[in-house]
Amino acid sequence: GESVGLHLPTLSVQEGDNSIINCAYSNSASDYFIWYKQESGKGPQFIIDIRSNMDKRQGQRVTVLLNKTVKHLSLQIAATQPGDSAVYFCAEIQGDMRFGAGTRLTVKP
Amino acid sequence: NAGVTQTPKFQVLKTGQSMTLQCAQDMNHEYMSWYRQDPGMGLRLIHYSVGAGITDQGEVPNGYNVSRSTTEDFPLRLLSAAPSQTSVYFCASSSGTQHNYQETQYFGPGTRLLVL
Repeated sequence: GESVGLHLPTLSVQEGDNSIINCAYSNSASDYFIWYKQESGKGPQFIIDIRSNMDKRQGQRVTVLLNKTVKHLSLQIAATQPGDSAVYFCAEIQGDMRFGAGTRLTVKP
Repeated sequence: NAGVTQTPKFQVLKTGQSMTLQCAQDMNHEYMSWYRQDPGMGLRLIHYSVGAGITDQGEVPNGYNVSRSTTEDFPLRLLSAAPSQTSVYFCASSSGTQHNYQETQYFGPGTRLLVL
């Protein structure tokens, strides 16, 4: 999960395994959510989004799950590859856009 | 398309100096914004613009000014740099026309600023 502080949560997975990255959001009225990927020294890059009227959305190798009951968002990456190593963070939108601090994913070859 | 470009990539300033961080996009996006990213924290919105000639404050606007004279450019000015402004700054743009946009934001590569 994500937290505010100097140290990001980390997740280390073996190449080929599936990864699950979690995010707890704060505003129960948020109606749109985005997952971003940020590689070292680069700007954030859009991965996938989901609206509050959905509980699951799939992209290429990625799936986002939304549980509004507990205000929880997750990003699942199938068959994780070394190129997936990055910081992943979620954003919630309800009027304003708020970003989580992120989780650092490391993929071991 | 070059997307969103930012200059400089790195900058070191002394306390009290002023400088302008440049941001440009070639996607004809109406919405542009500036964020700062600090260690272990999420992106925080400094200022944003919903179109040429229109700017507004975000979450952490103090110490920063912006202007939007053209659709393409959205410079961020530090009037008198302070060590608390040491951060990585990202510019972003989207085709949304409102602050509560839901279109994809495209981010620039960032400017790393160190204020001594």
